[in-house]
Amino acid sequence: QVQLVQSGAEVKKPGASVKVSCKASGYTFTSYGISWVRQAPGQGLEWMGWISAYNGNTNYAQKLQGRVTMTTDTSTSTAYMELRSLRSDDTAVYYCAREARGTGFDPWGQGTLVTVSS
Amino acid sequence: DIQMTQSPSTLSASVGDRVTITCRASQSISSWLAWYQQKPGKAPKLLIYKASSLESGVPSRFSGSGSGTEFTLTISSLQPDDFATYYCQQYNTLWTFGQGTKVEIK
Repeated sequence: QVQLVQSGAEVKKPGASVKVSCKASGYTFTSYGISWVRQAPGQGLEWMGWISAYNGNTNYAQKLQGRVTMTTDTSTSTAYMELRSLRSDDTAVYYCAREARGTGFDPWGQGTLVTVSS
Repeated sequence: DIQMTQSPSTLSASVGDRVTITCRASQSISSWLAWYQQKPGKAPKLLIYKASSLESGVPSRFSGSGSGTEFTLTISSLQPDDFATYYCQQYNTLWTFGQGTKVEIK
């Protein structure tokens, strides 16, 4: 079945970087995009950016430009999201989701909790 | 940027009720709208895409309508499993989520 499995929880200090992985299985990885979405505690969903697994093209949310980088490794069907210069308000659950043109995000990974604390 | 506004933010309802959630876009998004359901501690689940297309496996009591700037998600007869938070999402220009609507037990 189509599945996205994310890496485990992280605790980081302010100013550090975090890199979250998202391993895809059950479909042709390069036929879809991957979006990253985060959710701060008790808050709504925030789209962070998108990467084409076909050619590596990216689109990032304006508020994260310069701090976020999304990449893929087609040899392992894995997507990565790196966020730099972490602040306390980056504490959130980070999700990856498969994006199919015209049909929304499905499925989603299980989520990765990133806690930023001194 | 396209802004998405959902109403209400919270909705109290009983099992068997007909429930409607509204989502408005700050500019026309044609029919490029999806609806998601999220339960506590879980990832969101796609319910509806292209404004009115039901995702495979989603119960037929869920339906979506609208185009342009105004959209609705309707649950025809609320079931115990439906108490959750619902989000709309536009994908006409990049992607934006609404702020969510929590459906709680009355």
